[in-house]
Amino acid sequence: GAVVSQHPSRVICKSGTSVKIECRSLDFQATTMFWYRQFPKQSLMLMATSNEGSKATYEQGVEKDKFLINHASLTLSTLTVTSAHPEDSSFYICSARPGQTPGYTFGSGTRLTVV
Amino acid sequence: AQRVTQPEKLLSVFKGAPVELKCNYSYSGSPELFWYVQYSRQRLQLLLRHISRESIKGFTADLNKGETSFHLKKPFAQEEDSAMYYCALSGQGGGNKLTFGTGTQLKVEL
Repeated sequence: GAVVSQHPSRVICKSGTSVKIECRSLDFQATTMFWYRQFPKQSLMLMATSNEGSKATYEQGVEKDKFLINHASLTLSTLTVTSAHPEDSSFYICSARPGQTPGYTFGSGTRLTVV
Repeated sequence: AQRVTQPEKLLSVFKGAPVELKCNYSYSGSPELFWYVQYSRQRLQLLLRHISRESIKGFTADLNKGETSFHLKKPFAQEEDSAMYYCALSGQGGGNKLTFGTGTQLKVEL
């Protein structure tokens, strides 16, 4: 089946540094990918919709300059958390919807810890 | 705006008992409804979508447009059903975003 690969699975960084998370569609092309954030024991909150070859669409309240999204190819979207703060610590998940499959496919997530 | 409501944060049932996880939605057009499951330390997996009207792992869900509900049901709970269940909604079209409910933790006790 369609697979979305997310890397890294876990990252620890210092406050003020930037972290890049990659999301790849392994056996299909994804013109659109979605980035979610999940706090412990809470639901997934959509942060932004990543569009190949154009600007991402951010949800209300999500800082564009802090969470930079790049979708340069049909199989890769990246989320860069810039100038990270401890409150950015969370679980970030990407998703895409392969054309021929019944639903959205999710990456395994990235656990970000900012110290 | 699209919204999904799951009123129960936690549902605890005994093995063999019936299960019903509630989900209500709000959407102005014709929505596409899904149930996703997240087992401990695993990624989200699609369980059901309303269009396919199939039964997966004994679970079924019927879209009730009059009540704007998409409740998930299983007649006899199994221990391996213990997981986090999310109801989700998408507008029509593959590029549309998926909106999740807050999730219900199902715990099946022996």
